[in-house]
Amino acid sequence: NAGVTQTPKFQVLKTGQSMTLQCAQDMNHEYMSWYRQDPGMGLRLIHYSVGAGITDQGEVPNGYNVSRSTTEDFPLRLLSAAPSQTSVYFCASRTGQSYGYTFGSGTRLTVV
Amino acid sequence: GQQVMQIPQYQHVQEGEDFTTYCNSSTTLSNIQWYKQRPGGHPVFLIQLVKSGEVKKQKRLTFQFGEAKKNSSLHITATQTTDVGTYFCAGVFGNEKLTFGTGTRLTIIP
Repeated sequence: NAGVTQTPKFQVLKTGQSMTLQCAQDMNHEYMSWYRQDPGMGLRLIHYSVGAGITDQGEVPNGYNVSRSTTEDFPLRLLSAAPSQTSVYFCASRTGQSYGYTFGSGTRLTVV
Repeated sequence: GQQVMQIPQYQHVQEGEDFTTYCNSSTTLSNIQWYKQRPGGHPVFLIQLVKSGEVKKQKRLTFQFGEAKKNSSLHITATQTTDVGTYFCAGVFGNEKLTFGTGTRLTIIP
């Protein structure tokens, strides 16, 4: 089991560029979420999914899109990168509401 | 919106001293989870509390969920250098959304 795999680990973007952060899990987990972590602000929920084909917005969804075509994959798309999106992004998954989330190792994104 | 407040933001303790971090919500939580994040790492799930007044222990760590299900605490007895990191609580308000507190960063003075 690889757990939750995020790629890339590091990325530098120019303002206005688009990109996709990849997230894959091999544990057959139903629930998947994307968080961003900024200094002093904890982890804030961007988007989440309770199963393939179902997604919903979290606390800070603006500027991000997601889709969940398979149970395993939950990519996060930045449509037009802005410096305010400089952050560490974590993908997480869990099997049900009685369990905690397993986090990936994160993607450190810098937008210049 | 639904928020989870966590205090203190930082805590420096001598090795062997105890440590406590507190979480509070203005509205009733369905359940609360605790995570630990080592410097440069990712959050790791520690425990989930569901029942009113619930107390759970993991070795030197004691987790409590308030009677009103609006507050929670994590207490570490006799801290060790391996306890260094940031401890987050995360509340669930009845749906799948997990709302994290801002975390308490624990540093240990040897």
